[in-house]
Amino acid sequence: QVRLVQSGPEVKKPGSSVRVSCTSSGGTFSTYSISWVRQAPGQGLEWMGRITPIFGDASYAQSVQGRLTLTADESTATAFLELTSLRSEDTAVYYCARDAPADMPQVPAPYHMDVWGEGTTVTVSS
Amino acid sequence: DIQMTQSPSSLSASVGDRVSITCRASENISKFVNWYQQKPGGAPKLVIYAASILQRGVPSRFSGRGSGTEFTLTISNLQPEDFATYYCQQSHTDRTFGQGTKVEIK
Repeated sequence: QVRLVQSGPEVKKPGSSVRVSCTSSGGTFSTYSISWVRQAPGQGLEWMGRITPIFGDASYAQSVQGRLTLTADESTATAFLELTSLRSEDTAVYYCARDAPADMPQVPAPYHMDVWGEGTTVTVSS
Repeated sequence: DIQMTQSPSSLSASVGDRVSITCRASENISKFVNWYQQKPGGAPKLVIYAASILQRGVPSRFSGRGSGTEFTLTISNLQPEDFATYYCQQSHTDRTFGQGTKVEIK
């Protein structure tokens, strides 16, 4: 059974950077994508970006383009999110999720986020 | 970017009711829609994927339908544990979530 375990809470100053990790266990890490989703206090879910470890390629939401870098280390089955130039609006819970293709004959198969980490709280405050 | 417009933003219902939530995509996304349930303080949980396929372990009172630009999540015989916030999400081009629908107890 696949499990995603995230790093602990962070408190950062405006203008600094934060790095959050997401370690996978119980499954094949490299062949699936990992999406990152954040949720500001009292708000909805916002997709930030996605990386496929086996290819190393990543795609990013326009809202964080230029400030967000997603990486993955296949040897430790860990994905990383790094967000720079932090501002108060970046205060949120950050989730990683396995973004996997549905097991169906349709090509391309639809993707879905079927396993989620527990979330990492990032607080940006002076 | 593909926009997902979800309605209503909230609804009140009683145990045993049937409720439906709608999601409209800004362009044709075939069946590339998923639905998630989120309870306060918890991570989202996948309920329906590929528009109509029930995720393993999810009760059969949950159902999804639609294709193209309009999608619906229906919960029949609402149970106390179903009171939560539900989100649609497209996976056709990048990813986008709807704004969420909070299902509250009447």
